[in-house]
Amino acid sequence: AQKVTQAQTEISVVEKEDVTLDCVYETRDTTYYLFWYKQPPSGELVFLIRRNSFDEQNEISGRYSWNFQKSTSSFNFTITASQVVDSAVYFCALREAAGNKLTFGGGTRVLVKP
Amino acid sequence: ETGVTQTPRHLVMGMTNKKSLKCEQHLGHNAMYWYKQSAKKPLELMFVYSLEERVENNSVPSRFSPECPNSSHLFLHLHTLQPEDSALYLCASSPQGTYWTEAFFGQGTRLTVV
Repeated sequence: AQKVTQAQTEISVVEKEDVTLDCVYETRDTTYYLFWYKQPPSGELVFLIRRNSFDEQNEISGRYSWNFQKSTSSFNFTITASQVVDSAVYFCALREAAGNKLTFGGGTRVLVKP
Repeated sequence: ETGVTQTPRHLVMGMTNKKSLKCEQHLGHNAMYWYKQSAKKPLELMFVYSLEERVENNSVPSRFSPECPNSSHLFLHLHTLQPEDSALYLCASSPQGTYWTEAFFGQGTRLTVV
C-alpha cells in the first residue's frame, strides 16, 4: 500500500527566509509520480510540481526547488525567499502507475510573517 | 481557475436532509474523484470514477452515494448525515490512464451538518 508522511505539521517563518518541507513516501511500485500541491485559504488544491520515479535530477522553478532522493524515499520541497502569499497548507502526494489513486500526506501549514 | 467547478461552495444541512454536491469539469478528463478533508485528518479518497464507472470505493458509508452520469459531471448525494461528516469535500479530475499527470481540483464544498 502507498503511504505519504509529512512530519512537519506547521512551519512559521519571517518573509524572505527559505522554507523546506519534508515528505517521505512508501510504495512497492517501481514506477510512480510524486507531486506537491498548495492549498490556500480559498480551499482549492493548486498543483505546483511533479517528479517521476526514474528522474532524480533536482530542479529549480522560480522560487521553488525540490530534492528527490529515491534511496531515502524522500521528496522535499523548498520555497526560497518566502513571501506572505506563500502562506498556505502544502501537500505531498504519490500516484503509482498501476492505479488512479492519488495519496496525500497530512499536509504542512506554512505561515509567512511580514 | 483549474477548470473544475464545484457547487455549492457552502452547505449547511440537518441530519435528516437530503442534498447533493455537484462537480463539473471542462478539461476533457475521464477520471473523477471525491476527496474528504476533515480538520484533523489528511485528505481521504472517497470514490474514483474512470470512464464513468466506479473503480474505487474506500469503505465510505452508504449515506454518501456518488453518481457519474457522464465524464464531465460528478455528484455526491448525501442523506441522513452525521455531524462528523462535516468537512471540506473536494472534487478532482485527471486524464484516464496517465499517472504522470496531476489531478485538477475544484475549490471544494464546505459542508456543515447540524
